Amino acid sequence: GAGVSQSPSNKVTEKGKDVELRCDPISGHTALYWYRQSLGQGLEFLIYFQGNSAPDKSGLPSDRFSAERTGGSVSTLTIQRTQQEDSAVYLCASSFTRQTSNYGYTFGSGTRLTVV
Amino acid sequence: GENVEQHPSTLSVQEGDSAVIKCTYSDSASNYFPWYKQELGKGPQLIIDIRSNVGEKKDQRIAVTLNKTAKHFSLHITETQPEDSAVYFCAASRRTYKYIFGTGTRLKVLA
Repeated sequence: GAGVSQSPSNKVTEKGKDVELRCDPISGHTALYWYRQSLGQGLEFLIYFQGNSAPDKSGLPSDRFSAERTGGSVSTLTIQRTQQEDSAVYLCASSFTRQTSNYGYTFGSGTRLTVV
Repeated sequence: GENVEQHPSTLSVQEGDSAVIKCTYSDSASNYFPWYKQELGKGPQLIIDIRSNVGEKKDQRIAVTLNKTAKHFSLHITETQPEDSAVYFCAASRRTYKYIFGTGTRLKVLA
């Protein structure tokens, strides 16, 4: 597609429920990232996927968080047993990657998650 | 750990004036420094970037400067316009993928 697409744009869930957030990256982008943006804070790295390589999960805050990327394209971020501190905007981005230089990310518009 | 500090957190300028946002990074191996603009309800959008082998880069009203010795980099916006009002994020990266972001600057351009 023309841009990174995320769904839903807004999600309100009850504490303790599981949620799934979806990201559809730009066609041809091999790298996909999830970041979390809490109110008044910067962007916190969660997880990175690159092709068929093992993902970098070093930013996931707890074992309640998991993500997968199917067929090298669409990604799903799952949060189990949601807590109020999980409330944030979850941003997905994609990019081309090269070994010796960096390319800017293209972000989606995010999913605003509210846990009540 | 790796850290990026960004100042100021809020900045108000009169239309037509210049705005400067400053960032300091901790990892001396960082070699790529992008700047993102985030408008309300939207994801961050890349507006300019600079690599460690360059000291300054300009794109119309926007410029970025890098001081590797001091580990500082700055965003300069000249002749500000109301549509420049947004939250701006700096970032630093030493790898091909993982960015460390600053906490953002809310810029208000007053008409």
